[in-house]
Amino acid sequence: AQTVTQSQPEMSVQEAETVTLSCTYDTSESDYYLFWYKQPPSRQMILVIRQEAYKQQNATENRFSVNFQKAAKSFSLKISDSQLGDAAMYFCAYRSFKQETSGSRLTFGEGTQLTVNP
Amino acid sequence: EAGVTQFPSHSVIEKGQTVTLRCDPISGHDNLYWYRRVMGKEIKFLLHFVKESKQDESGMPNNRFLAERTGGTYSTLKVQPAELEDSGVYFCASSPRQSFVYGYTFGSGTRLTVV
Repeated sequence: AQTVTQSQPEMSVQEAETVTLSCTYDTSESDYYLFWYKQPPSRQMILVIRQEAYKQQNATENRFSVNFQKAAKSFSLKISDSQLGDAAMYFCAYRSFKQETSGSRLTFGEGTQLTVNP
Repeated sequence: EAGVTQFPSHSVIEKGQTVTLRCDPISGHDNLYWYRRVMGKEIKFLLHFVKESKQDESGMPNNRFLAERTGGTYSTLKVQPAELEDSGVYFCASSPRQSFVYGYTFGSGTRLTVV
């Protein structure tokens, strides 16, 4: 079974600075997907960025980028030029490529609460 | 398009009572999922519907939990009788049939407190 670990329950960053959220995972599969989701207070969880394991290039979405280290099973999220609206709970998630082995469920980490200080 | 809607947003019930959570997925989404986050822990999978059929219910904690999806549209998750450890946030998510690559669209969750 796959596991996802986020070792930082809380992180804080100054507005306009850069912050990196850590995520490690454990799997025996070679093909899979990784995601970062963001949940603002009392609002729905939204997809921030995703990475296909077969792609060597790190995914980037505007101010959000990942550092995907497949051999180390590490998938960190970097937020550049942090904004007040980035304050949220961030979840790292794993999804198997092979739907028949574990369905299409997501396996989540425990989450990291990010505070952005003005 | 309308998003995934969950209600109630909050529910406080006494131990032993019954609670029913509802999820309205995005229209046309065949896949519907229920997840739960107990305070401070990871979000855990509960079950997965494809239309009205249960594709995977391996995450359901015990037989006090009953999920249904009427006509492949909205879904309900009933907890009967509720126990203290059932407290947490229950998330619903939906996705189109072949869009598993992109993850899902989540609702805002139902915060259940059992006292």
